[in-house]
Amino acid sequence: EDQVTQSPEALRLQEGESSSLNCSYTVSGLRGLFWYRQDPGKGPEFLFTLYSAGEEKEKERLKATLTKKESFLHITAPKPEDSATYLCAVRTGGTSYGKLTFGQGTILTVHP
Amino acid sequence: GAVVSQHPSWVICKSGTSVKIECRSLDFQATTMFWYRQFPKQSLMLMATSNEGSKATYEQGVEKDKFLINHASLTLSTLTVTSAHPEDSSFYICSARTVGVGEKLFFGSGTQLSVL
Repeated sequence: EDQVTQSPEALRLQEGESSSLNCSYTVSGLRGLFWYRQDPGKGPEFLFTLYSAGEEKEKERLKATLTKKESFLHITAPKPEDSATYLCAVRTGGTSYGKLTFGQGTILTVHP
Repeated sequence: GAVVSQHPSWVICKSGTSVKIECRSLDFQATTMFWYRQFPKQSLMLMATSNEGSKATYEQGVEKDKFLINHASLTLSTLTVTSAHPEDSSFYICSARTVGVGEKLFFGSGTQLSVL
């Protein structure tokens, strides 16, 4: 059974304090790893898709990387507006695109 | 970017009534839409896959007679929670898939359902 585990469950940072979120996965035939941001009471907002080990993608203060067992979401010099829940999800071979398996999320709080 | 509109954002209903939630793709045609359910501080769980013009595919353990899904057009899918009970209270989120090169999955803003 496909499993996705995110750590830590919650992370508190000071503004400007860089850190990383982890997403470990155990799947059969990875067809994509997705990062989403979710604000309270809102649907997930797409951030990145990674397909193969070694791949990296960046967007503003965020950088996502992928290995064969895990993905990291690096946040450089975060700002309070980066506070949100960050979700990772995997799509595996043989499943429909929407059948993503999600991790439980990391709640990020950035204090000014 | 692609936009998915979900309505209503929140709804409160009495036990035994039915509630309809709409999901629209605003600037693209979505042959496939998906419905997720999310409990507080938990992750998203796929409920069903909605295909335009055909019956929805439900995940194991999801009651298809309770959660009716209709996908009558390329831009609209609806989820009807029938005879709602307090245990159906949850955050429901739809998503729509773009097709072609660089296909992506975009989510609606979610609907918070509270059944009294």
